[in-house]
Amino acid sequence: KNQVEQSPQSLIILEGKNCTLQCNYTVSPFSNLRWYKQDTGRGPVSLTIMTFSENTKSNGRYTATLDADTKQSSLHITASQLSDSASYICVVGSVGGTYKYIFGTGTRLKVLA
Amino acid sequence: KAGVTQTPRYLIKTRGQQVTLSCSPISGHRSVSWYQQTPGQGLQFLFEYFSETQRNKGNFPGRFSGRQFSNSRSEMNVSTLELGDSALYLCASSLRVDAGRANYGYTFGSGTRLTVV
Repeated sequence: KNQVEQSPQSLIILEGKNCTLQCNYTVSPFSNLRWYKQDTGRGPVSLTIMTFSENTKSNGRYTATLDADTKQSSLHITASQLSDSASYICVVGSVGGTYKYIFGTGTRLKVLA
Repeated sequence: KAGVTQTPRYLIKTRGQQVTLSCSPISGHRSVSWYQQTPGQGLQFLFEYFSETQRNKGNFPGRFSGRQFSNSRSEMNVSTLELGDSALYLCASSLRVDAGRANYGYTFGSGTRLTVV
């Protein structure tokens, strides 16, 4: 069964600290993996998109890694800011099957001053 | 340039009623996809339209339907509403249909929050 699991479900960190969010998937065939940031009451905003051949991609203080062999991805946030408080959603794209995108349920991050 | 516009932002309906949600994509974008987001299930794909044709469909009952107009604007309809349909409905637009192959970015709207009572 195609699934995307994210951990932790929620996380609280102090401003300025780093953190890493995890995404494990069992989607096959795999095409790509995206990380989105969703602020409360808003739609998701794309942070990174990685295909099979890419194992790291950065967007400012956000760095995503992908290990296609172990089917794991992580999103590392450096020097967190209050504005990083949001839900982070991992999405895996597949070129086969009925569903083109399988979404994780997200990690809710809270950054405290 | 204007983003993806969804109307209305909030909606309250009673069980058994029907509802129509609207989505105006970014100018020039021809693909519009719809998603349901609930706290328990997260984001789930409903369907995707391109050039007025449904190209992809998720695993939702037939009560959920959509259409796309020649100007790429899209509407989603839910008939015979159930309490479990309460959710944030998001629409996203893209230049082309993305068959899961990655490189077309999707831009999401802020969503319509539907509450069924």
